[in-house]
Amino acid sequence: GENVEQHPSTLSVQEGDSAVIKCTYSDSASNYFPWYKQELGKGPQLIIDIRSNVGEKKDQRIAVTLNKTAKHFSLHITETQPEDSAVYFCAASINGGSQGNLIFGKGTKLSVKP
Amino acid sequence: DGGITQSPKYLFRKEGQNVTLSCEQNLNHDAMYWYRQDPGQGLRLIYYSQIVNDFQKGDIAEGYSVSREKKESFPLTVTSAQKNPTAFYLCASSIGGWTYGYTFGSGTRLTVV
Repeated sequence: GENVEQHPSTLSVQEGDSAVIKCTYSDSASNYFPWYKQELGKGPQLIIDIRSNVGEKKDQRIAVTLNKTAKHFSLHITETQPEDSAVYFCAASINGGSQGNLIFGKGTKLSVKP
Repeated sequence: DGGITQSPKYLFRKEGQNVTLSCEQNLNHDAMYWYRQDPGQGLRLIYYSQIVNDFQKGDIAEGYSVSREKKESFPLTVTSAQKNPTAFYLCASSIGGWTYGYTFGSGTRLTVV
């Protein structure tokens, strides 16, 4: 079945620096890749997503890139701020199977130091 | 505003008791999901439902049960058979199909006392 690996598991950056989180997936049929941000004690919130017919998507300080050939996608956060500190999850879509429609990575805990 | 509501936010269970976590959505979503999250861990799928009156086991269904009698509601019962139920439980919903994201609730923290 589909497997999504996410790296790194923890990431610490200085305020104003960039942060990059990478995910790889195994099912070449996956065609939808969302990213979620989870703040402490809250549910994950969708922050950006990308579909397989697009190589890059940006939304202000956040961008996602997708390399279908290599089966990996990345989240880029520029000019990081303390409020970016959270756990970030990537996910890849699957069609059918026994795990619902999204397979999640194990998460990256991002800490932005002021 | 449309959304997904989980209640209660905090729940305490005595050993040997069954407890039910509520999840309600008014997004008109077909699919609903239950995940368990342990401290510092990722999301593990308990059960999911793609349509009313139908649901499937996820990776860690043992000790849990669900029902889907209405499109809007997907309650999760943590039974006494679940030996380590202390965790953060997340409910999610989606339009359905495999090219749409999930909307998550704010979670229920269950503690065994």
